[in-house]
Amino acid sequence: DAMVIQNPRYQVTQFGKPVTLSCSQTLNHNVMYWYQQKSSQAPKLLFHYYDKDFNNEADTPDNFQSRRPNTSFCFLDIRSPGLGDAAMYLCATSRDRSGSGLDTQYFGPGTRLTVL
Amino acid sequence: AQSVTQLGSHVSVSEGALVLLRCNYSSSVPPYLFWYVQYPNQGLQLLLKYTSAATLVKGINGFEAEFKKSETSFHLTKPSAHMSDAAEYFCAVSARSGYSTLTFGKGTMLLVSP
Repeated sequence: DAMVIQNPRYQVTQFGKPVTLSCSQTLNHNVMYWYQQKSSQAPKLLFHYYDKDFNNEADTPDNFQSRRPNTSFCFLDIRSPGLGDAAMYLCATSRDRSGSGLDTQYFGPGTRLTVL
Repeated sequence: AQSVTQLGSHVSVSEGALVLLRCNYSSSVPPYLFWYVQYPNQGLQLLLKYTSAATLVKGINGFEAEFKKSETSFHLTKPSAHMSDAAEYFCAVSARSGYSTLTFGKGTMLLVSP
């Protein structure tokens, strides 16, 4: 089945220790998104890639970076995690950007990040 | 810019009762509207989507939603709740044309009691 896969499902890191979260997709979608979801809150978009074009949200901290080496994979790098970065990180994909009619987003199961 | 407001952070129903989760949108033109469901420790799953073909949209698991332009609403309903429906539900909006991101409401937790 075509799907969005996130690894690992649970990640524990130490305060200030860089961490990388992984997302892969078999849907061959053009767009890949990273969301941060804190407890009992709505998902908050951090950034997205349209093909190789990187789009950062204005309020995403510089501590968060992303890489998309090819269509299938996208990584979220947190350079120096703080306690406030503990959250569920969701990866999503869509065939095209919002507003195009082909913008239904398909989500992975998420990675829950704990910062000690 | 578009936004959505979900009324009620928690909704409690008994098994077999009607489910009604409220969503109102704010947009200068009718947007695309979505309902997603999130089970504990899982990602979001699309329930249904409104694009303009029909104002009553049927989704998975027996859910449906009706787009009402005059009320700027897109409420989610299910005639008979099941225990397995207990989850968090998010309404979301995106612009109909041009580029825009998906904007989520704050979510409504549905609690189903036996």
